[in-house]
Amino acid sequence: AQTVTQSQPEMSVQEAETVTLSCTYDTSESDYYLFWYKQPPSRQMILVIRQEAYKQQNATENRFSVNFQKAAKSFSLKISDSQLGDAAMYFCAYSRDDKIIFGKGTRLHILP
Amino acid sequence: NAGVMQNPRHLVRRRGQEARLRCSPMKGHSHVYWYRQLPEEGLKFMVYLQKENIIDESGMPKERFSAEFPKEGPSILRIQQVVRGDSAAYFCASSPGTGKSSPLHFGNGTRLTVT
Repeated sequence: AQTVTQSQPEMSVQEAETVTLSCTYDTSESDYYLFWYKQPPSRQMILVIRQEAYKQQNATENRFSVNFQKAAKSFSLKISDSQLGDAAMYFCAYSRDDKIIFGKGTRLHILP
Repeated sequence: NAGVMQNPRHLVRRRGQEARLRCSPMKGHSHVYWYRQLPEEGLKFMVYLQKENIIDESGMPKERFSAEFPKEGPSILRIQQVVRGDSAAYFCASSPGTGKSSPLHFGNGTRLTVT
C-alpha cells in the first residue's frame, strides 16, 4: 500500500514566483520524521528539508518551507522566489522504523 | 570528507549475466540502504544493512538479489542472472545511526541496463 502520496506528477512555475508541492502520508505512529528530497538531472538525491512530527513549528530552510498539518497527515513544500536551479524531481519521504519511504515524486519546471 | 561513493556509474549487462554494484558509505557511517528507482518512479526500498548484518530486506526480491556489507570494504548489491526488468537506477545511502531522525546521504546511483 502506498504510504506517501504526491498527487502532482508535474508542476510549472514562473521564475521568481512561489510554488507549493503537495504530499500526504499514511501512518498510525505518533513519532516520525518527514523529508523533502530534490533530484536534479544529475540524479543526485539532495535533502532539502526535514520535519519532526512532534514539532508544531514548520521547518524552514532559506527559500524552502513546509506546511505540516499533522492531523490531516499533510506535508507540503513551498518554494519562494523560484530559481532556474530549482528545476528537478522533488520527493516527499516519511521515516518509518529504520527506513525511509518515498513518494513517486513531482517534476518541477521553472519557466524563465 | 567524501560523500557516499557508488561504482560503477553505469553498468551494462546481457540477460543472464551477473551485476555487482558497490557502495562505500560516508566516513563514520555504519548504516547502508539500497534503493531502486525505475524510470519516472520514486525510490523503492530494497534492503538495510549494518556492518556484517542484514537488518531489513523486506524490499528485496526473493530470488537473484543479495546484499552484503562486510566488516571491511564496500557494501555490495548483487543481482544474478539479470533480466530486462532489472534495468533501473540503484541508489545507495548511508546514515550515521539508526532511528527516524537520521537523514540519508545518497550516492549518485548506478544505472543498470540489461540488454
